[in-house]
Amino acid sequence: QQQVKQSPQSLIVQKGGIPIINCAYENTAFDYFPWYQQFPGKGPALLIAIRPDVSEKKEGRFTISFNKSAKQFSLHIMDSQPGDSATYFCAAVGGTSYGKLTFGQGTILTVHP
Amino acid sequence: ETGVTQTPRHLVMGMTNKKSLKCEQHLGHNAMYWYKQSAKKPLELMFVYNFKEQTENNSVPSRFSPECPNSSHLFLHLHTLQPEDSALYLCASSPPWGGAYGYTFGSGTRLTVV
Repeated sequence: QQQVKQSPQSLIVQKGGIPIINCAYENTAFDYFPWYQQFPGKGPALLIAIRPDVSEKKEGRFTISFNKSAKQFSLHIMDSQPGDSATYFCAAVGGTSYGKLTFGQGTILTVHP
Repeated sequence: ETGVTQTPRHLVMGMTNKKSLKCEQHLGHNAMYWYKQSAKKPLELMFVYNFKEQTENNSVPSRFSPECPNSSHLFLHLHTLQPEDSALYLCASSPPWGGAYGYTFGSGTRLTVV
């Protein structure tokens, strides 16, 4: 019940495309859903996060869509750029897992020029 | 720099060696974490410390021994490791008792066990 399932494992788009990464969870006690971006040789860095009381959040070119009834959330990257090429992790925290981020498996995104 | 510094960045060690990884944070956080990142696997939480006290050991083998002398420093002592322990070891810190909202990772130590 603590799992967060992320798909796809890898994604290739052309510059300007809109990659979409999906995550699903089981634990309804989760109350905070961050996305992390990781470049090679670096640790994950917080990109954007959402709480389940809103259905969408935008920060620049990054948008999270949240569907509480389906227990799913997704990351959309508008007008993607080669510099967005990285590994993206969704995560969840809350309930009995308070203090411990539960991560998805990660998605390797490649944006071709 | 993110405010969480890990050293060394790379480490190669034999299975009979003893080595230590170091993590230091200057963010005023009181919770610190060790994660293991292996290829094609989710990030695995290993240990959690809150106010220098270990509050979670996620069934980690005893060949990994953490130490948290104060809220700013965290160590991971390694001995008699196995090749499958080769991975990126990440340290993170946050405000006390979770504060996922301020979770900050270091750049990691790339460990290779030969």
